[in-house]
Amino acid sequence: KAGVTQTPRYLIKTRGQQVTLSCSPISGHRSVSWYQQTPGQGLQFLFEYFSETQRNKGNFPGRFSGRQFSNSRSEMNVSTLELGDSALYLCASSYTQGSLYEQYFGPGTRLTVT
Amino acid sequence: AQSVTQLGSHVSVSEGALVLLRCNYSSSVPPYLFWYVQYPNQGLQLLLKYTTGATLVKGINGFEAEFKKSETSFHLTKPSAHMSDAAEYFCAVTAQRGNTGKLIFGQGTTLQVKP
Repeated sequence: KAGVTQTPRYLIKTRGQQVTLSCSPISGHRSVSWYQQTPGQGLQFLFEYFSETQRNKGNFPGRFSGRQFSNSRSEMNVSTLELGDSALYLCASSYTQGSLYEQYFGPGTRLTVT
Repeated sequence: AQSVTQLGSHVSVSEGALVLLRCNYSSSVPPYLFWYVQYPNQGLQLLLKYTTGATLVKGINGFEAEFKKSETSFHLTKPSAHMSDAAEYFCAVTAQRGNTGKLIFGQGTTLQVKP
């Protein structure tokens, strides 16, 4: 079974631009979560989607948004990029919603904002 | 509310020595607890998890962890370190109840293994 895939793997953007990151979950998985990883703040939860609906949201500004499609693929968007948005963005998928189900992480998208 | 504290951002051991990575959690509801490992330029891989039942949990690559409710701890151990264990390790907690898989992570511990 193929793992979680994230595209692109690396991205360089300029302050003020916007960016869209993509995540394809493991086949059959219906829940997708996003995390931001930075050296200073560590791993922080962004949001969680299940059945095309956002089920949970972390403490991030409204510039961070996401969506999930009917095939469970997910995208996250960051508008008006700031230098502090430079981070590794990780996507995780699980079979269904709920804390009992193991989350499988993708390799991440490394975003650099200049 | 939930939180995780990992004691020691860097741990260095010799190859063949005991590995002990410390994790303490805070949770107002019964927790599920996890240990993940991250190798450079990769995502997170689940090592082991505690849900309910047996408090000593065995995971992959010879790692194990013990859930101690009275100490609110979930320390990760491995009897004999191998060079390939060098990586960053994250402890995480989530709530047993509710329909969310949201993970709260500790700050991570970098394990260095010396030959």
